[in-house]
Amino acid sequence: RKEVEQDPGPFNVPEGATVAFNCTYSNSASQSFFWYRQDCRKEPKLLMSVYSSGNEDGRFTAQLNRASQYISLLIRDSKLSDSATYLCVVNMDNTDKLIFGTGTRLQVFP
Amino acid sequence: DTAVSQTPKYLVTQMGNDKSIKCEQNLGHDTMYWYKQDSKKFLKIMFSYNNKELIINETVPNRFSPKSPDKAHLNLHINSLELGDSAVYFCASSRLGGGLETQYFGPGTRLLVL
Repeated sequence: RKEVEQDPGPFNVPEGATVAFNCTYSNSASQSFFWYRQDCRKEPKLLMSVYSSGNEDGRFTAQLNRASQYISLLIRDSKLSDSATYLCVVNMDNTDKLIFGTGTRLQVFP
Repeated sequence: DTAVSQTPKYLVTQMGNDKSIKCEQNLGHDTMYWYKQDSKKFLKIMFSYNNKELIINETVPNRFSPKSPDKAHLNLHINSLELGDSAVYFCASSRLGGGLETQYFGPGTRLLVL
């Protein structure tokens, strides 16, 4: 089983749609979780950290389910500018090592 | 003001050559990293340095040698380049180690080995 697994997509959604991505991780001892965003031919950038109680940042909501070892990202009211690859990122054992999923590609169309 | 910068942005070279990539961060961070993103877009850590000290060496071939002259710089030297080294190499930094802090990435160096 991969350490961090994501559906690669692509998810093609119209503007205004709500879309959700899931990610599963293999190490039950993982402590820190993040969603990063990577635009085509650009560097990854932090979108949001994921907290145990779930957290929201504008149109973005992240949830963590420790029992099932999955993380989700919900995007409401999708914009064209949301088109990117969303990387699920997990830290193992509070080391410097972040494990990146292969990303889920989102394409928002007019 | 660029937070994490890398040079060169593009690097095209022949097999067997030796090349270096430089990275600098002006964020005052203690920890710096090198990542490799291959053609399948899989991003994998190679090295991590904390205040010039090697913390992570992720079973990378010893043709790859990182050097950190000070905590604001982490360079990557690659000897005897191979076709499989073709990838995008990202430098990153974070305020602290431990994987709890946001990592800020440089723009990447696109390496093509012919």
